[in-house]
Amino acid sequence: SHVLTQPPSVSVAPGKTAKITCGGNNFGRKSVHWYQQKPGQAPVLVIYSDSDRPSAIPERFSGSNSGNTATLTISRVEAGDEADYYCQGWDNDSDHPVFGTGTKVTVL
Amino acid sequence: QVQLVQSGVEVKKPGSSVKVSCKASGGTFSTYTLSWVRQAPGQGLEWMGGIIPIFGTAKYAQKFQVRVTITADDSTSTAYMELSSLRSEDTAVYYCARGLLPMEWSKYGMDVWGQGTTVIVSS
Repeated sequence: SHVLTQPPSVSVAPGKTAKITCGGNNFGRKSVHWYQQKPGQAPVLVIYSDSDRPSAIPERFSGSNSGNTATLTISRVEAGDEADYYCQGWDNDSDHPVFGTGTKVTVL
Repeated sequence: QVQLVQSGVEVKKPGSSVKVSCKASGGTFSTYTLSWVRQAPGQGLEWMGGIIPIFGTAKYAQKFQVRVTITADDSTSTAYMELSSLRSEDTAVYYCARGLLPMEWSKYGMDVWGQGTTVIVSS
């Protein structure tokens, strides 16, 4: 099955922009979704269908998908954004969801 | 607002089986995808399998195909994940998660998650 590769860690100063990439799969027409997970908590959907935000998620979170690489962008980063972030795509060969390797975002 | 409430902590012996439940309340159950995702200590998320209760047929990740059985009981809005032949590497938190929109596996992600069930496999 496919593996979605993410950078293990990203560090960012408060107020700056963090970008997290997700690649290693030809996403084709399939969407990419992003989840935020804080220690001891269940994941939270922050971006779905490449670039849509659930209503409770701040506009600072945005997403894009170029076909081979998906990107989660967090603008004006706050201390509360410190968490692990996972992308999720679709394994076309096995016909099921697949998660990325995860990225730990540290706010300096 | 839909909530998913999972069963409690399980401590199991190697070679045994565990069955985790996930009960939905406050919304529609039968037409949404219901996935099971596990997370070993310090590790990432791993999709194990899932089901759309109204259809009753589950799909599984190849890694778990032989050992996992996912079922759903529409009358009680409860999904189940049974993992057999447990080994120490199965020690993890197991989550159930519902798809954002009905009948759709890939387009919309998983927007409602259970609180997680810790399964510990130890002799």
